[in-house]
Amino acid sequence: AQSVSQHNHHVILSEAASLELGCNYSYGGTVNLFWYVQYPGQHLQLLLKYFSGDPLVKGIKGFEAEFIKSKFSFNLRKPSVQWSDTAEYFCAVNAKGNNRLAFGKGNQVVVIP
Amino acid sequence: EAGVTQFPSHSVIEKGQTVTLRCDPISGHDNLYWYRRVMGKEIKFLLHFVKESKQDESGMPNNRFLAERTGGTYSTLKVQPAELEDSGVYFCASSRIAGNSYEQYFGPGTRLTVT
Repeated sequence: AQSVSQHNHHVILSEAASLELGCNYSYGGTVNLFWYVQYPGQHLQLLLKYFSGDPLVKGIKGFEAEFIKSKFSFNLRKPSVQWSDTAEYFCAVNAKGNNRLAFGKGNQVVVIP
Repeated sequence: EAGVTQFPSHSVIEKGQTVTLRCDPISGHDNLYWYRRVMGKEIKFLLHFVKESKQDESGMPNNRFLAERTGGTYSTLKVQPAELEDSGVYFCASSRIAGNSYEQYFGPGTRLTVT
């Protein structure tokens, strides 16, 4: 079974600071990778996804993530955060051909204006 | 297009009572999933329907949980009898059948509190 690790569960930073959230997964086969975001009072929304191809993936709102297969990692980055990026961020993985998503524990990010 | 909807948004029940949660997927989505997040833990998979059939129910915690999707449209998740450890947020998600390239769309969740 897949498992996903996210560290630094609570992150506080100022506007314009850079953000990087780590995600490591354990699974020996081919995977699909996702970052979901949950803004206060809203649904979980897909931020970006990786299925195949270019390992550097660009998502909505200026976010990007890089898949490094050798490190089993899919870290999320944003060069300059805004107050509106305050949210909880979840990394998720599923094995190819298996629809079941495995999630990390999430990162609660607070951006101070 | 309307998103995934869930009802109720909150439910507070006593230990031993029964609760039924409902999920309406996006129209045309054959795949429907239930997940649960217990406070302080990760979101965990419960089960997956393809139309009205249970494709994978490996995440269901025990036989107090019963999920149905009659007619392949909306789904219900019944907990009977509820225990304290069942408290958490129950999420529903849906997706189209599209090989390996698909996205699961999540509902707002139902927050269940068992006292």
